[in-house]
Amino acid sequence: EIVLSQSPDTLSLSPGDRATLSCRASQSVSANYLAWYQRKPGQAPRLLIYGASSRATDIPDRFTGSGSGTDFTLTITRLEPEDFAVYYCHQYDRSPKTFGQGTKVEIK
Amino acid sequence: QVNLVQSGAEVKKPGASMKVSCKASGYTFTNHGISWVRQAPGQGLEWLGWINAHSGYTTYSQKFQDRVTMTTDPSTSTAYLELRSLRSDDTAVYHCARDGGDYEDFWGQGTLVAVSS
Repeated sequence: EIVLSQSPDTLSLSPGDRATLSCRASQSVSANYLAWYQRKPGQAPRLLIYGASSRATDIPDRFTGSGSGTDFTLTITRLEPEDFAVYYCHQYDRSPKTFGQGTKVEIK
Repeated sequence: QVNLVQSGAEVKKPGASMKVSCKASGYTFTNHGISWVRQAPGQGLEWLGWINAHSGYTTYSQKFQDRVTMTTDPSTSTAYLELRSLRSDDTAVYHCARDGGDYEDFWGQGTLVAVSS
C-alpha cells in the first residue's frame, strides 16, 4: 500500500503567517490522485484540494495545493483564525486508499 | 446541499457485530459511491472500503475483507457498514463519505463505536 508521511507533525504559527505542509508518498501517486482535508475537533473532515492542486467548491484561494509524483505540498497563505486545525493528505490512486498521519496547525 | 446523517453511537462486546447507517440527501444517491473511513482514538484516518450505490459493487481494504460488508438501499438513500467479530482495537469513529470522483468530497458526522467487555 502507499504510505503517506506528513511533515511536520505540528506547526506553531500566528494568524497572518504562511503555513507550508508537506506530504511524501512511498510510491509515485499516478495522475496526482492526491487530496487534502481539514479537520476540526468534533467535525467531519472538509475537502480542500483534490487532484493535487484543484480547489474544492467554496474553498478560499489562500489554500493552494501543489506537487506531483511522491512530493506534495499544501500552502496556506495568511492564516485566518478558523484555519487552525489538523490537515490530512489522502491518496486515492490505488487500493487501499490511504491517509497521512496529519499535521496540526496550532496558534503560537 | 449534500448531507450525510449517520446513526448514533454504539457500545459492543468483543466478538459482536456492529451496523452503522448513513442516510444521504441533497443529491442523487445512485450517482455516487460511498466510502467508509474510521479513526481510532489517537490514530489517523483508515479507509475500510467503497460501495457503488447503484450496482452494489464493493471494494474492500484487504485488512477488513473477511469481516466487513457494505450495502446500500437506494429506496431510502441509505448506506450501511457492517463489521463482525469486533475487537477492542475496532473502537473508533466511523465515517461515511460520498465519492465525488474517486476522492471523498462530503463526509458524515461520524458514529462512535466502542468495543468493551
